[in-house]
Amino acid sequence: RKEVEQDPGPFNVPEGATVAFNCTYSNSASQSFFWYRQDCRKEPKLLMSVYSSGNEDGRFTAQLNRASQYISLLIRDSKLSDSATYLCVVNPPGNTGKLIFGQGTTLQVKP
Amino acid sequence: DVKVTQSSRYLVKRTGEKVFLECVQDMDHENMFWYRQDPGLGLRLIYFSYDVKMKEKGDIPEGYSVSREKKERFSLILESASTNQTSMYLCASSLVGTGDLNEQFFGPGTRLTVL
Repeated sequence: RKEVEQDPGPFNVPEGATVAFNCTYSNSASQSFFWYRQDCRKEPKLLMSVYSSGNEDGRFTAQLNRASQYISLLIRDSKLSDSATYLCVVNPPGNTGKLIFGQGTTLQVKP
Repeated sequence: DVKVTQSSRYLVKRTGEKVFLECVQDMDHENMFWYRQDPGLGLRLIYFSYDVKMKEKGDIPEGYSVSREKKERFSLILESASTNQTSMYLCASSLVGTGDLNEQFFGPGTRLTVL
C-alpha cells in the first residue's frame, strides 16, 4: 500500500463548480499534513496546512480525519486559474524533515 | 522571500556522461532535498541532507550521489547517466522544526534528457 494515495484524475469541472479531493495515508502516527499546488511545468508550492479542526482560506477548505486517515480539499466557486495538480503531503513520524508526497490530483476547470 | 535556484532549466546529456545538478538556497535552511518527478509516479526522494557534509539516502538513491560542502548548496551527481534517468529533477529546502516549519520550498526544476 502506498504511504499517501490520491486519485490522479483528471477532474474536469465547469467554472463555478465545487470540487473535492480526498487523500488517504497509511501511517496513523503521521504528524502534520499539507496540500501543495503544482502548476503545469512549475514547481510545487504550499497551498495550505491541514489541521484537525479544519482550515479554511477563502474558497479553499482542508479537513483532516485522523480516525479514517484521510485528508480532503474542497474548492468552492472554481476559477479557471485553479487548474493545477494538487499534491497531498504528509509529515511522517520522527520529525526527520522529510515529507511524503502523493502522486497528485489534476484539476481542469473549463469555461 | 525564500529563493531556491537550480543551475539549469533544461539539460541534454549522453549515456555514460557524468552530470552535475546544482541547487542553491538563500534562506539558511538546514534541510535540502533532491527529488525526481515522473508522470504517474509523483515526487520521489533521491537524497536528503540535514547539515553540511551530512546526507541520507531517500527512496531511489541508486545511480546518484550528492555533495553538500556549504550550507546553501546541494549538488546531485549522476556518475554515469543512463536513459532511465531522464526526468524532471527538483531541489527543495526547509527549516528544521515541526508542523508548518517543515514547509519545503522548491526550485524551478531541471528537465534532464539522457540520450
